[in-house]
Amino acid sequence: GDSVTQMEGPVTLSEEAFLTINCTYTATGYPSLFWYVQYPGEGLQLLLKATKADDKGSNKGFEATYRKETTSFHLEKGSVQVSDSAVYFCALIKDQAGTALIFGKGTTLSVSS
Amino acid sequence: GAVVSQHPSWVICKSGTSVKIECRSLDFQATTMFWYRQFPKQSLMLMATSNEGSKATYEQGVEKDKFLINHASLTLSTLTVTSAHPEDSSFYICSATLSSYEQYFGPGTRLTVT
Repeated sequence: GDSVTQMEGPVTLSEEAFLTINCTYTATGYPSLFWYVQYPGEGLQLLLKATKADDKGSNKGFEATYRKETTSFHLEKGSVQVSDSAVYFCALIKDQAGTALIFGKGTTLSVSS
Repeated sequence: GAVVSQHPSWVICKSGTSVKIECRSLDFQATTMFWYRQFPKQSLMLMATSNEGSKATYEQGVEKDKFLINHASLTLSTLTVTSAHPEDSSFYICSATLSSYEQYFGPGTRLTVT
């Protein structure tokens, strides 16, 4: 079945360090890909998305490119801040309205000053 | 942006009792809502898909008689955990769809069964 695999965490970085969180997926067809972020004590928020191959999603300095050839959607940020500390979830949805998201296990990011 | 609320945010109940969790889309109408369960340090696992005016569709392994879902209006879905047991303790999250690929998540409900 369809699935999403994320790198194991936690990821611990110093402020202004470069961030990469790896995400690969397995799916039939042409899924849309998402990164969600969950700050402590809050619900999930959409961070960015890409709906077709080679699309790049970006938001708040984060970027991810939909790579169909490697079935990947790695999240990157050039310079992390303490406020980026959160749990990040990679997810996919099939190209079908009203379909639930399939999530990876989440990666906890901790940024220290 | 679209806002989804959940109530309560945290509940403790005794084993054998039932607990109702509400999920509301505050500023939009959602024909479809989803209920997820999140275990500590694990991903969100889909429990069921709830469509307004029809019976919920449960994922394999989810007991429909234990986790009752009602989607009575375009802005409200409820999850009732019946005869709760300690193993039902978890973080329950709902989401509501605004359009084909847009899902908005509630803040979650922490259920503790003693």
